[in-house]
Amino acid sequence: EDKVVQSPLSLVVHEGDTVTLNCSYEVTNFRSLLWYKQEKKAPTFLFMLTSSGIEKKSGRLSSILDKKELSSILNITATQTGDSAIYLCAVRGSTLGRLYFGRGTQLTVWP
Amino acid sequence: KAGVTQTPRYLIKTRGQQVTLSCSPISGHRSVSWYQQTPGQGLQFLFEYFSETQRNKGNFPGRFSGRQFSNSRSEMNVSTLELGDSALYLCASSLVLAGEYEQYFGPGTRLTVT
Repeated sequence: EDKVVQSPLSLVVHEGDTVTLNCSYEVTNFRSLLWYKQEKKAPTFLFMLTSSGIEKKSGRLSSILDKKELSSILNITATQTGDSAIYLCAVRGSTLGRLYFGRGTQLTVWP
Repeated sequence: KAGVTQTPRYLIKTRGQQVTLSCSPISGHRSVSWYQQTPGQGLQFLFEYFSETQRNKGNFPGRFSGRQFSNSRSEMNVSTLELGDSALYLCASSLVLAGEYEQYFGPGTRLTVT
């Protein structure tokens, strides 16, 4: 059965800290891995990682895909209270249009 | 470019009723996927439409159905509502050309079944 597992489930840090969120997957015919940020509304797209693009960076956020270990990490440096959200990892396999989602990591950043 | 829009944003229904949710994808996007999000199960895939055809379906009962129109707008219908259908229903659109592609989500429809 295809599955995506994220850890930790929740994380509380103080502003300025660096955090690392983990995502591991078992998905048939892996094609891509996507990270989303969800506040009190719809998930917003952050990154997409594929075999041809295993590292992405945008400002304080960066992500790496490890195809050998079937996992990915999302790093956030110099965290801010606005980073508080649920971070979702999703994987696309052979089924068109379908993403398999992890349960998410709830990140809380205290001022 | 406008994002994915969903209507209505909030809906309250009683058990046994049916409901129709609407999703308008980003202009030019021909693929629309639907997901159900609940605290207990997270995001679960319902189905995906591309060029008015359902290409894939998740593990939901037949009470959940959908369709897509020629302008790529999609509707999702749930018949004989149950309390457990209370959830946030999200649609996502994709520009499917070649290779890999992102999915962009709409704001969702919050359905409460009483």
